[in-house]
Amino acid sequence: EAGVAQSPRYKIIEKRQSVAFWCNPISGHATLYWYQQILGQGPKLLIQFQNNGVVDDSQLPKDRFSAERLKGVDSTLKIQPAKLEDSAVYLCASSLSHQGTEAFFGQGTRLTVV
Amino acid sequence: SQKIEQNSEALNIQEGKTATLTCNYTNYSPAYLQWYRQDPGRGPVFLLLIRENEKEKRKERLKVTFDTTLKQSLFHITASQPADSATYLCALAPGSYIPTFGRGTSLIVHP
Repeated sequence: EAGVAQSPRYKIIEKRQSVAFWCNPISGHATLYWYQQILGQGPKLLIQFQNNGVVDDSQLPKDRFSAERLKGVDSTLKIQPAKLEDSAVYLCASSLSHQGTEAFFGQGTRLTVV
Repeated sequence: SQKIEQNSEALNIQEGKTATLTCNYTNYSPAYLQWYRQDPGRGPVFLLLIRENEKEKRKERLKVTFDTTLKQSLFHITASQPADSATYLCALAPGSYIPTFGRGTSLIVHP
């Protein structure tokens, strides 16, 4: 079974530039999550999709972050414009459903904003 | 406010001993709790899930307990090996089933 695919693995941008991350979840997984993990901290949920609908985006800084999951499969997360404090690893995860099932994580995209 | 606490100090133990990691939480009524393992440069990997009506769960050398009165979960690795060295994260999900992670505890098993 193929895992969660994310790209790119690494990205370095200057502040105020924009960046996009891509995630392909495990086939058949209805729930998709985007997490932000700052060094030394646990993952923080940014947004959760159930198929192509948003379940929770209460911690997504909507003035600069946006995410979509067209057709309920792949997802993209965008930051525009980036700030220095956005430097982190962005993790995508998927699960069969949102009700107590395990989440499968991708390797993440390490973003450095200079 | 809601808080999940895991010991920020690394746990150092000798190979063969039992490692015990703690996850405490406040202002939550979690429906379930999960434990994940995270290696450097990798995403978390699911280990175990325990529901609010379960006291204990086992999987091979792993054991998790869940005390909703104490608001605490303990994660045990018996007969620990150097390959068990990693960061272990606990994640709670309240009734809305949106998992929230602790910051993790680093485990170092010395040969």
